Amino acid sequence: GQNIDQPTEMTATEGAIVQINCTYQTSGFNGLFWYQQHAGEAPTFLSYNVLDGLEEKGRFSSFLSRSKGYSYLLLKELQMKDSASYLCAVDNAGNMLTFGGGTRLMVKP
Amino acid sequence: GAVVSQHPSWVICKSGTSVKIECRSLDFQATTMFWYRQFPKQSLMLMATSNEGSKATYEQGVEKDKFLINHASLTLSTLTVTSAHPEDSSFYICSVDSGRSSYEQYFGPGTRLTVT
Repeated sequence: GQNIDQPTEMTATEGAIVQINCTYQTSGFNGLFWYQQHAGEAPTFLSYNVLDGLEEKGRFSSFLSRSKGYSYLLLKELQMKDSASYLCAVDNAGNMLTFGGGTRLMVKP
Repeated sequence: GAVVSQHPSWVICKSGTSVKIECRSLDFQATTMFWYRQFPKQSLMLMATSNEGSKATYEQGVEKDKFLINHASLTLSTLTVTSAHPEDSSFYICSVDSGRSSYEQYFGPGTRLTVT
């Protein structure tokens, strides 16, 4: 079966750094994605990891360890607009994505 | 990347009626589209894979006779919720598969369905 776990909610302060973890157990693995989703809107793509290591893109970075079934999304210099849900998703076969439950991040002043 | 639209963006219908949701790929020919459902404060759940010119592939637990999918052209897939019930109220999102890698799966803006 497929199992993707991430914390339900997190709170952080504007300007700080926050790390959102994701662990997965899937029957196959073709890559791991992080999406940002604001309430009532569609998810928007943030990052894609298929090899172990850290991918940095501006204020956002994503890390993957395939041997540990683990990934994290790192958000730096938090802004109020970063308050959203962050979805971890695994491509386990045929371009089909299995999503985790999502982490609701609240950024406070 | 591909531009994907959905229509309507929101709809309210009475219990027992049917509702059709359209997903259009505006600048890309989509052989494959995906339909997701998202309940409040939950993540996206894949409902079905829509294949142009052939039958959709439904995920386990999704009733294919209740959620009718038609993908008659490379730019349009429709999801019809038949005999809707209040528990079908949800956010329905489609995505387009570019066919190259799931890195290039583009999401539509979603349709909010409320069944009263």
